[in-house]
Parts: sequence; structure tokens; C-alpha cells
Amino acid sequence: GQQVMQIPQYQHVQEGEDFTTYCNSSTTLSNIQWYKQRPGGHPVFLIQLVKSGEVKKQKRLTFQFGEAKKNSSLHITATQTTDVGTYFCAAYMTTDSWGKLQFGAGTQVVVTP
Amino acid sequence: NAGVTQTPKFRVLKTGQSMTLLCAQDMNHEYMYWYRQDPGMGLRLIHYSVGEGTTAKGEVPDGYNVSRLKKQNFLLGLESAAPSQTSVYFCASRSGYSNQPQHFGDGTRLSIL
Repeated sequence: GQQVMQIPQYQHVQEGEDFTTYCNSSTTLSNIQWYKQRPGGHPVFLIQLVKSGEVKKQKRLTFQFGEAKKNSSLHITATQTTDVGTYFCAAYMTTDSWGKLQFGAGTQVVVTP
Repeated sequence: NAGVTQTPKFRVLKTGQSMTLLCAQDMNHEYMYWYRQDPGMGLRLIHYSVGEGTTAKGEVPDGYNVSRLKKQNFLLGLESAAPSQTSVYFCASRSGYSNQPQHFGDGTRLSIL
């Protein structure tokens, strides 16, 4: 069945550095969503990508959807302490009409000042 | 601007006790979801609902029951609490249009002794 795999599981970043987290699926996705969860908080929707090869930016965050719509990436430039948290990618299951969202396991980001 | 409200925020139970977690949303959303989050496990879907009076099982439904008697409320019941159900529980909702983002509550931190 459709599964969303996310790597790395853990990322330790020095403040000011860039990093990228990746999301991969064995099947073609209709769309991909990204969420951020701050420590002790709840997941918050960041962005949705729908089109093949789509690139969207939110300040220092760049989101990309692969040409084959099987992978996505989140790149953060010049990491700040406010970027601390867990980033999840998620996709609605194309084989399911009931609207279940398949979450990746998340990338936990720790930022060292 | 309440969004999704979960009650209670914290609870400690003894093994074998029962309880109900309440989720209320004021966005007139059709879909509602219950997830549990355990360290390193991401978000796992327990049960969900696509409308008033309709519920379905998710990935980890055993030991839980749900009800959606009113569109704005989604209740999660633990019939006989077990230590394995110690977790953080999140409720989420979204509109009925396809591929919409989910809006999460602040979570309920539940400990079973």
C-alpha cells in the first residue's frame, strides 16, 4: 500500500547552516502536505504541493515536489533556533476515498546556537 | 477563533478505568480524526469520521471507541485503559473538499498507571 517514508529521522544543525529533509513514496502521490510540530505543541500545516515539479517558498523554507510526484523535500536556509521542531510530510491515500492522511515518521530538528 | 478544542489537556488513569476524550471544532468541518503520538512513532490514526453519525477504523483502533453524534464533536472512548495506551492524543478536522489540510487541537496527554 501507499507509504510515505521520511529521512532523516533526526537532524542536528548549527545555527546559520542549511539542511534538507526528504519524503519518499513508492507510489505516485496526488499531493503532498508539510506540517511542523514545535516541542510540546501540535502539528501545524505549512504548505501543500500539488503539481509535478512544483516549488514553493515561505521565507527561508523551500518546498519541492518531484517531477514524478513520488518525492518531496523541505530545505531550510540559514537555520534559526525558531526552526526547532519536528517536520512531517503527509499525503492523502489515493486508494482510499475516505480522506485518510498518511504521515511520514517526521524529521526532528535540533538547532545549536 | 477557537478552531479545534480538546478536553481534557492532561489526565492520569489507573489500569482498567474508562474515560472519554472530547474534541470540538467550530469550523463546520465534515471530517474529524483521532491520532495518537508516541516517541519516534509519528502520528497513528485511531478512528476517523467523514460526517455526523459516520465513523471508521484507522490504523490502531483496538481498545478505543468513537462517536460523532453532532457534527462539531468527536468523542474518543477508552473502554478499559491499559498502560500501552499512555500517549499524546490529537484530534484534527478538515473540510469536506478533497486534499484539504488538517487542523489539529492542542492534544491530550494521557498516562495510564
